[in-house]
Amino acid sequence: DAGVIQSPRHEVTEMGQEVTLRCKPISGHDYLFWYRQTMMRGLELLIYFNNNVPIDDSGMPEDRFSAKMPNASFSTLKIQPSEPRDSAVYFCASTPAGIYGYTFGSGTRLTVV
Amino acid sequence: GDSVTQMEGPVTLSEEAFLTINCTYTATGYPSLFWYVQYPGEGLQLLLKATKADDKGSNKGFEATYRKETTSFHLEKGSVQVSDSAVYFCALKGGNQGGKLIFGQGTELSVKP
Repeated sequence: DAGVIQSPRHEVTEMGQEVTLRCKPISGHDYLFWYRQTMMRGLELLIYFNNNVPIDDSGMPEDRFSAKMPNASFSTLKIQPSEPRDSAVYFCASTPAGIYGYTFGSGTRLTVV
Repeated sequence: GDSVTQMEGPVTLSEEAFLTINCTYTATGYPSLFWYVQYPGEGLQLLLKATKADDKGSNKGFEATYRKETTSFHLEKGSVQVSDSAVYFCALKGGNQGGKLIFGQGTELSVKP
């Protein structure tokens, strides 16, 4: 099992550009989560999906952020247009239903200059 | 709503010292409890878990006991090593959270040789 796979590992982009982060969850996991981590705000849940359907997107900071899960093996988080305050590490995680914990990906470190 | 409270860090210890990181929770029903560890530059990794009252989770010399009477899940290790330096997150998954983990704010541990 390769675990949760995120790409790219690092992304540097200019303010105003579109950024797309990608995640491949573990096969068979029903839930997928997107988190953002910064020193100031800690770990924040942005959105999560159950069986490819968005369940709670109340953590998405604003309309510039959007997330999709077109199938059980792929999800994207898009920021358009990006701003310097979006600089953070973005984590994807997946889990089966039930008493299990999450498996996190290695994260994407986004820097917006 | 459900919540998790951890002791504030940073916690600084000398090698071979005893470690306790306090974690208390508020939840309805019977949540599952977790400890995650995040090493510098990496994603969160599941360290241990307990799914019912009086269960003890253990891994890599770390232990935590699910105490329903005190709503606590304190993390302990008898003798820490420099390699244990990381951020530790306590989390719960409640029966009504639809798969969502509620995280504490994290406690940074620094172990000096």
